[in-house]
Amino acid sequence: KAGVTQTPRYLIKTRGQQVTLSCSPISGHRSVSWYQQTPGQGLQFLFEYFSETQRNKGNFPGRFSGRQFSNSRSEMNVSTLELGDSALYLCASSPAGGSLGSYNEQFFGPGTRLTVL
Amino acid sequence: AQSVAQPEDQVKVAEGNPLTVKCTYSVSGNPYLFWYVQYPNRGLQFLLKYITGDNLVKGSYGFEAEFNKSQTSFHLKKPSALVSDSALYFCAVRDLNRGYNKLIFGAGTRLAVHP
Repeated sequence: KAGVTQTPRYLIKTRGQQVTLSCSPISGHRSVSWYQQTPGQGLQFLFEYFSETQRNKGNFPGRFSGRQFSNSRSEMNVSTLELGDSALYLCASSPAGGSLGSYNEQFFGPGTRLTVL
Repeated sequence: AQSVAQPEDQVKVAEGNPLTVKCTYSVSGNPYLFWYVQYPNRGLQFLLKYITGDNLVKGSYGFEAEFNKSQTSFHLKKPSALVSDSALYFCAVRDLNRGYNKLIFGAGTRLAVHP
């Protein structure tokens, strides 16, 4: 089975621009989560989508948004980029809905390295 | 608030020696605990998880972890380190307040295995 794929792998933008990152989960996986990784803040949860619905959101400003399509592929968008948005953005997929009674580990993609100049 | 702590920024061991990467957690309720590893310019790779059952969990690449409820710890171990184990290791706990698949990660521990 192919793993989680993320495109593009590297991106350079300037302040004020917007960017869209894409994530294709493992076939059959319906849950997609996004994380931001920076040297200063570490790994922080952005949001999670399941069956095209956002059901969990981290503490990020409204400039960060996402969506999920019917084929489970997901995109995240960052508008009005700031220098502090430079980070590695990781996508993770999981087969299950993650009810409290059960849990499946998440599988991460290689990430998109975003640099804001 | 739920959290995990990795008290060591870096761990150095000689190849062939046992290694331990420490993790402590704070959750209300039964924890779901995980270890992930990250190699340069790569995403996170799942190593192992503790949900319930035996306190000693075996995972990928010869790694294992011991869940200790009284000490609220979940240390990662390997009997004999390899140079190729050098990487960044993350401990994580599932966010039980919101359920679903949100993970809360520790700050990470950089493991350096020297020949």
